[in-house]
Amino acid sequence: AQSVTQLDSQVPVFEEAPVELRCNYSSSVSVYLFWYVQYPNQGLQLLLKYLSGSTLVKGINGFEAEFNKSQTSFHLRKPSVHISDTAEYFCAVSSFSGGYNKLIFGAGTRLAVHP
Amino acid sequence: GAVVSQHPSWVICKSGTSVKIECRSLDFQATTMFWYRQFPKQSLMLMATSNEGSKATYEQGVEKDKFLINHASLTLSTLTVTSAHPEDSSFYICSAGLAGVNTQYFGPGTRLTVL
Repeated sequence: AQSVTQLDSQVPVFEEAPVELRCNYSSSVSVYLFWYVQYPNQGLQLLLKYLSGSTLVKGINGFEAEFNKSQTSFHLRKPSVHISDTAEYFCAVSSFSGGYNKLIFGAGTRLAVHP
Repeated sequence: GAVVSQHPSWVICKSGTSVKIECRSLDFQATTMFWYRQFPKQSLMLMATSNEGSKATYEQGVEKDKFLINHASLTLSTLTVTSAHPEDSSFYICSAGLAGVNTQYFGPGTRLTVL
């Protein structure tokens, strides 16, 4: 069975500081990994994804993540955050089941950017 | 591209009534659609997966007679909450996936409040 662990439920940070949101996964097969962002009362927006190839993945809004197979991690980073980055961030792993890919989500990390 | 809409965005209903939520892929044909439920400050829980023209596959613990899913076309899936009760109040989010593209695109969500 696959699972996703987001190690921090909340991450407070000051504006223009760097941030890292941690994500670890467990899986016995090859995986696809995703980071989604959710603003209050909205659906999820895809930030970035790792399917194959380069382990450093660049996404929207200046975010990037690095797939580390040996450490089974997919941490999300941004070198300088803005107030507008305040949101809930979800890491997810995709499993292929019954002919389609199911997403398994972590519990989420609340990023709070302070002025 | 890859825009998914949901209607309504919010609904309030009386206990015992049924509520239908629509999920549409606006600019692509979705081979598979997924329905999630999200409680406040929690992650998304997959309820069911549906493929166009076939019966939905429900996750363990989800009552298929209470949460009716219809996937009539490649651009439309509906979730009907039958005989709704206050404990069904939640944020319902749909997503749509493309065959061969290992990514789900999410709708904006529907807030259901049952009085």
